[in-house]
Formats: sequence, C-alpha cells, structure tokens
Amino acid sequence: DSGVTQTPKHLITATGQRVTLRCSPRSGDLSVYWYQQSLDQGLQFLIQYYNGEERAKGNILERFSAQQFPDLHSELNLSSLELGDSALYFCASSVGWATNEKLFFGSGTQLSVL
Amino acid sequence: QQQVKQSPQSLIVQKGGISIINCAYENTAFDYFPWYQQFPGKGPALLIAIRPDVSEKKEGRFTISFNKSAKQFSLHIMDSQPGDSATYFCAATLYSGTYKYIFGTGTRLKVLA
Repeated sequence: DSGVTQTPKHLITATGQRVTLRCSPRSGDLSVYWYQQSLDQGLQFLIQYYNGEERAKGNILERFSAQQFPDLHSELNLSSLELGDSALYFCASSVGWATNEKLFFGSGTQLSVL
Repeated sequence: QQQVKQSPQSLIVQKGGISIINCAYENTAFDYFPWYQQFPGKGPALLIAIRPDVSEKKEGRFTISFNKSAKQFSLHIMDSQPGDSATYFCAATLYSGTYKYIFGTGTRLKVLA
C-alpha cells in the first residue's frame, strides 16, 4: 500500500459530462501529481501541485483542471468528456517537488466515457 | 527530444533467467533515471533509480546499467521469478524552468515458472 488514496476506483459516464477525481496524498507529502495512463499513450504527466500551488503543467487539456486544497488533498476535474478521455488516471505524491523525488502512486481511477 | 524510447514491448523469460529492458533518451539535460514496476490493478511503484554520474547501481536482483555517452540505460533482473511478472517503466526527469518526468512506454514482463 503506497499510502496514496484515490476515489472513486471506477467511473462510468457519458460524453459531454463532467467528473471529479479525488486524491489524498501520503501523510507528510506536499506534492501531488496527476498522470493519465492509456494503452496508446503510456503514462502522461498532467499537472503537479506543491503545497497548494501549481508547480508544473504537462500535457493537460484545457477541459481539465486541478487544484490542491489546504489539507493537501487534490481534485482533478474533467469536463466536456470525450470518448478519448477514457483512461486510467493516477495520482502520485512526494515529499518535495524536485525531479529526483520518489513518487508514490495511488491505485488509480479507471474512467470510462461511453 | 523529450521522448524516452523503451524496448522490448514485451518479454518472456524462464524462471531463473535474466530479464533485460532497455531505454534510450535524447535530451542530455535529464538528470535522474528511475524504473517503476506496475502490477495489474495497481499504480507504478519505484523500483530503483540512478543518476547520470554513476554507471551502475545494484539493489538485490535488480541492476541499472547507465551509458551516458550512448544515452542509454537498462534494467537487468537477475534470477527472474514468476513474482517479477509485471509491467516495467523507465523514466527520465529534469527541471529546467519546467518540470519534466517522461516515462517510457512500458515493457510487459512474463516470467515462466
């Protein structure tokens, strides 16, 4: 168990809808990362937050947004969903923000857009 | 230039054999090279990592070999066990004004009993 909690584990929704994925980092970790994993794209970095502030952005679509709250949990909001957004979404956390930080991944949220 | 190319896509090894997974990168600014192991239904977990100033790092049965001049690094799993059957991802990271944590496409390893 990595100590990173993601909810829900599975999400099925329709095109055009909006969903929110939630992540609770390991106790003491200040950084939260969101990744998208699909069969054809592999693991793609979406966004990083550190202590409540956005630290880095990756291949995140404008339809997607995220935030990290004062209690350090994070939410990833996906709107105007398309079939191609179906993927496994991982949250990871680390103590700091540097690139050599050990990332601890949650078990992911499987999103299916029908 | 930001890609990390990983091969093979899949690998089948007999129990007790050596599993070798290779990765190559272009950007010489990458400064940290981790390997992650992912079991079905789970998130990736850090296995072992190396910095570019070191040519080899060993932890138990897992060894990273790093060739800076060739811009390649590889994971060797000695005495492979059925429990090692998983998907392995290499990655390369850097921070130069923006954060980069680039994963390879993954290698699905199956170790036969």
